Amino acid sequence: ELKVEQNPLFLSMQEGKNYTIYCNYSTTSDRLYWYRQDPGKSLESLFVLLSNGAVKQEGRLMASLDTKARLSTLHITAAVHDLSATYFCAVDYSGGGADGLTFGKGTHLIIQP
Amino acid sequence: NAGVTQTPKFRILKIGQSMTLQCTQDMNHNYMYWYRQDPGMGLKLIYYSVGAGITDKGEVPNGYNVSRSTTEDFPLRLELAAPSQTSVYFCAASPTVWPQHFGDGTRLSIL
Repeated sequence: ELKVEQNPLFLSMQEGKNYTIYCNYSTTSDRLYWYRQDPGKSLESLFVLLSNGAVKQEGRLMASLDTKARLSTLHITAAVHDLSATYFCAVDYSGGGADGLTFGKGTHLIIQP
Repeated sequence: NAGVTQTPKFRILKIGQSMTLQCTQDMNHNYMYWYRQDPGMGLKLIYYSVGAGITDKGEVPNGYNVSRSTTEDFPLRLELAAPSQTSVYFCAASPTVWPQHFGDGTRLSIL
């Protein structure tokens, strides 16, 4: 069974600080996705990482993938309040098939002034 | 830009009732999905479709049915609603597997 574990599940941090969210998974995969969800809202697709060593960046968010360690990270640089949300990683275990995403439980991030 | 539209946004059902959650997209995407999200959890795939006339089961299909007669529409049918189906349901569409565009969700309570 494919397991996806996010760490931490809850995070409160101050504006201006840096932090990293971790996504560990149990079965070999070279495709991983990150999503953002605002409270009571739908999900927004953030990044897709398609190979070992892949790195994607947008604004203050940077995602990376280490397939050998079965680990992806989402790094937040100089956090701002607008980044407060729940962040999900999802691992593709079907090699790109439509049925292959297993989601983590999400990291609930609160950024305080 | 409508994107993915889900109706209704909220619904309360009694145990044993049936209903259809509607999902329509105007992006001409081939792939469509239905997920459920339970409190404090990630999404779980119920059904998916890779094109009109093609549907397949996801991780948690029991108690649900879908159809895909057109590219635009992908309704989810609940037969004999049970309390375990209380959840938030999201429909999504994508050109291939990525990026997925999500609807606003349907919050369903079964009492």
